[in-house]
Amino acid sequence: QVQLVQSGAEVKQPGASVKVSCKASGDTFSDYHMNWVRQAPGQGLEWMGFINPNTGGTHYAQKFQGRVTMTRDTSISTAFMDLSSLKSDDTAVYYCARWGESSSSPYIKAFDIWGQGTMVTVSS
Amino acid sequence: EIVLTQSPGTLSLSPGERATLSCRASQSVSSDYLAWYQQKPGPAPRLLIYGASSRASGIPDRFSGSGSGTDFTLTITRLEPEDFAVYYCQYYGSSVLTFGGGTKVEIK
Repeated sequence: QVQLVQSGAEVKQPGASVKVSCKASGDTFSDYHMNWVRQAPGQGLEWMGFINPNTGGTHYAQKFQGRVTMTRDTSISTAFMDLSSLKSDDTAVYYCARWGESSSSPYIKAFDIWGQGTMVTVSS
Repeated sequence: EIVLTQSPGTLSLSPGERATLSCRASQSVSSDYLAWYQQKPGPAPRLLIYGASSRASGIPDRFSGSGSGTDFTLTITRLEPEDFAVYYCQYYGSSVLTFGGGTKVEIK
């Protein structure tokens, strides 16, 4: 059973950085792009970007360029999302989500597996 | 950039009724990259429909997706108590991924 398990809740001060991890199990980590999606309290879903675990290549949503860095460690099947210069409106639940399309399974062009979410609170 | 507009914002229905949710794109999009998710309070979203009309694994057949071009629909034929939730459509194209604002299906 494929699972994504994220790191625990964080409380950060404005201006600080936060790093959230997402560990994959049950499938080949490098075969699927890993995305990050956030959701502010009571709001909708907002896509932040993705990393290709195979190559390390990244693509970020324009809104987050310059502030977000996505990395991975294939030896431990874990993706990371680092967000810097935090502001109060970065307070949100951050999800990692696997893009289901791969070379061996090209049909599910959507987020088929989600992590449980990590609450990040930015407050002084 | 594609904008997805979902309507209505809130749908008040009773168990057993039919729910019809709309997702309209600001320009014509590829059905291959149109998906629907369900989110209940607390947990992460769950994939319901991909490729506009294919049900994800384990999704009951009372959920169906249809549409093409700019207009897409999620239909729940007979609402079960566990179906009351928020539903999002999503599109990926030209290296940009967008979500609709969501439709809340609430118990009348």
